[in-house]
Amino acid sequence: QSALTQPPSASGSPGQSVTISCTGTSSDVGGYNYVSWYQQHPGKAPKLLIYEVTKRPSGVPDRFSGSKSGNTASLTVSGLQAEDEADYYCSSYAGSKNIVFGIGTKVTVL
Amino acid sequence: QVQLVQSGSELKKPGASVKVSCKASGYSLTNYAMNWVRQAPGQGLEWMGWINTNTGNPSYAQGFTGRFVFSLDTSVSTAYLQISSLKAEDTAVFYCARGASSGWFRGTPTSFDYWGQGTLVTVSS
Repeated sequence: QSALTQPPSASGSPGQSVTISCTGTSSDVGGYNYVSWYQQHPGKAPKLLIYEVTKRPSGVPDRFSGSKSGNTASLTVSGLQAEDEADYYCSSYAGSKNIVFGIGTKVTVL
Repeated sequence: QVQLVQSGSELKKPGASVKVSCKASGYSLTNYAMNWVRQAPGQGLEWMGWINTNTGNPSYAQGFTGRFVFSLDTSVSTAYLQISSLKAEDTAVFYCARGASSGWFRGTPTSFDYWGQGTLVTVSS
């Protein structure tokens, strides 16, 4: 199972929005509405931000939103804050009881 | 509060084995699946599979069969990852991660809501 494709980096100024893409195939992202997004600060464990494409766990700010079109899912971070600087990973159900992660995107707050 | 506390860093020689523990607190271990995720140095996340904490039945992702074993000791609310015949390329941080109660699909947890702090396993001669 190949890792999902994400841009290696993205950036924005405080208060702006940044959108990260996560591209797969019809066998993973495009085939199922089970895309999740995670935030990982350096040296820390990942944190769940979004599940089932658009749903936010309690406690996750509504500045984080998810969407999907075809084989590409997206995470939008609105109103960028300094603490949003981190690595972001998508994941998807990939058939045959498998989960595949994206390669990760480093978000820099300028 | 929910916590997953993992065992400390390990330094092992090639060919040795290692057992990483993940102690759950703040909830009943048997109520949620436990997943394992690998992160090689400077690399991304890789799902290794999960263990059904009710039945003890493990499910391994492609590439994690043979040398990798998931197990439980429910009496101490702890999940384990054992890796045998260690190789240098096994050097990584290993995370346990609880399968969220929602988002299950075809008997597989698709999102992970609580994570351990990670255990660095270094394999070097």
